[in-house]
Amino acid sequence: EVQLVQSGAEVKKPGESLKISCKGSGYYFTTRWISWVRQMPGKGLEWMGRIDPSDSYTAYSPSFRGHVTISADKSLSTAYLQWTSLAAADTAIYYCAITRCSGGSCSPNFFDPWGQGTLVTVSS
Amino acid sequence: QSALTQPASVSGSIGQSITISCTGTSSDVGSYDVVSWYQQHPGRAPKLMIYEVFKRPSGVSSRFSGSKSDNTASLTISGLQAEDEADYYCCSFAGSSPFVFGTGTTVTVL
Repeated sequence: EVQLVQSGAEVKKPGESLKISCKGSGYYFTTRWISWVRQMPGKGLEWMGRIDPSDSYTAYSPSFRGHVTISADKSLSTAYLQWTSLAAADTAIYYCAITRCSGGSCSPNFFDPWGQGTLVTVSS
Repeated sequence: QSALTQPASVSGSIGQSITISCTGTSSDVGSYDVVSWYQQHPGRAPKLMIYEVFKRPSGVSSRFSGSKSDNTASLTISGLQAEDEADYYCCSFAGSSPFVFGTGTTVTVL
């Protein structure tokens, strides 16, 4: 079974750094992009960015570029989302999701499956 | 890149059909046949329901169907059931962004 398992909930103070993880299993980790999606309390889904684990190439939404860093460790089959300086506005649930497409040579365009989500709370 | 526009809420009775619209622009929905739809129950991760406009993943009920016309995509739920009550989000490829989600629709089963 293809599965993504995310790290546990975090409580941080403004200005602190944080790195959360997303571990893939049941497939060859380098064959699927992984995206990160934010959901602020009571709000909708926002695509943040994605990584191709085969070469660590990343692409970011303009809204998140420069605020977060996406990385991956092939040897651990794990993708990461990190902040150097958190703010209260970063309080949200963060989901990772495999990003794929249905053809043999196609551009990944949908998200399936998703991790269970990581709640990040930033409060003084 | 602005979020795709969805109605905030849609409701229907058990057994009825409802349709959720997802309106974008010629730079996203109108340019690419890669709209996907996600169902999210409270406290749960989103689940893929429709991909590439109309394709249904294995395990998803045939009561769910997708379509697209110009800049608007649609998700139709036929034979509405109690377990369909959830939030639904559309998503489209958007070129350089490159993905944009819809604003989300809460489906209420009366």
